[in-house]
Amino acid sequence: EAGVTQSPTHLIKTRGQQATLRCSPISGHTSVYWYQQALGLGLQFLLWYDEGEERNRGNFPPRFSGRQFPNYSSELNVNALELEDSALYLCASSLGTVYINYGYTFGSGTRLTVV
Amino acid sequence: AQTVTQSQPEMSVQEAETVTLSCTYDTSENNYYLFWYKQPPSRQMILVIRQEAYKQQNATENRFSVNFQKAAKSFSLKISDSQLGDTAMYFCAFQNSGGYQKVTFGTGTKLQVIP
Repeated sequence: EAGVTQSPTHLIKTRGQQATLRCSPISGHTSVYWYQQALGLGLQFLLWYDEGEERNRGNFPPRFSGRQFPNYSSELNVNALELEDSALYLCASSLGTVYINYGYTFGSGTRLTVV
Repeated sequence: AQTVTQSQPEMSVQEAETVTLSCTYDTSENNYYLFWYKQPPSRQMILVIRQEAYKQQNATENRFSVNFQKAAKSFSLKISDSQLGDTAMYFCAFQNSGGYQKVTFGTGTKLQVIP
């Protein structure tokens, strides 16, 4: 069974540009989560999609957005990139329902570098 | 807002010895989930162990066990018979039960197993 897959592995963008990151969950998982892992800051929750809907959002500006497609894959878009957006972006999916969390399965991440 | 605190940024342990990683959290809820995740260098983050707050019995997974003290809001991870492959960042995480509650991660503890 394929795990959570993320693409691209690395992405280099110029300040002010837009970045698009992609994630495919494990087959059967309907929820997709996005986290930002910047150096020294641990994992910061970005977005949660379930059944095509945004269910929860972290404390990030509106230029961080995304969507979930009918096949449950997801896309994270970051507009007007800033230098501090440089980080590892992790996607995860979960077998759990809304009310029971069995734990996340993470992808390998996309390393975004803004220059 | 829920917070997760890992007060040990770095730790080291001799191979085959036992080490305990600390985690405290803050919540006013009674039902929630706690997790420990492991992130080896340049590798994927994986779930190590999961605890449901309403279960008084401490969770165990092979060499990994937790000491869950609900009243003290403490959730420490004990690794027995440490192996070189245990070298990684370890993240403690918390989630309230109920609909669409985000998972909050601590800042991590970097564990080095010394041969």
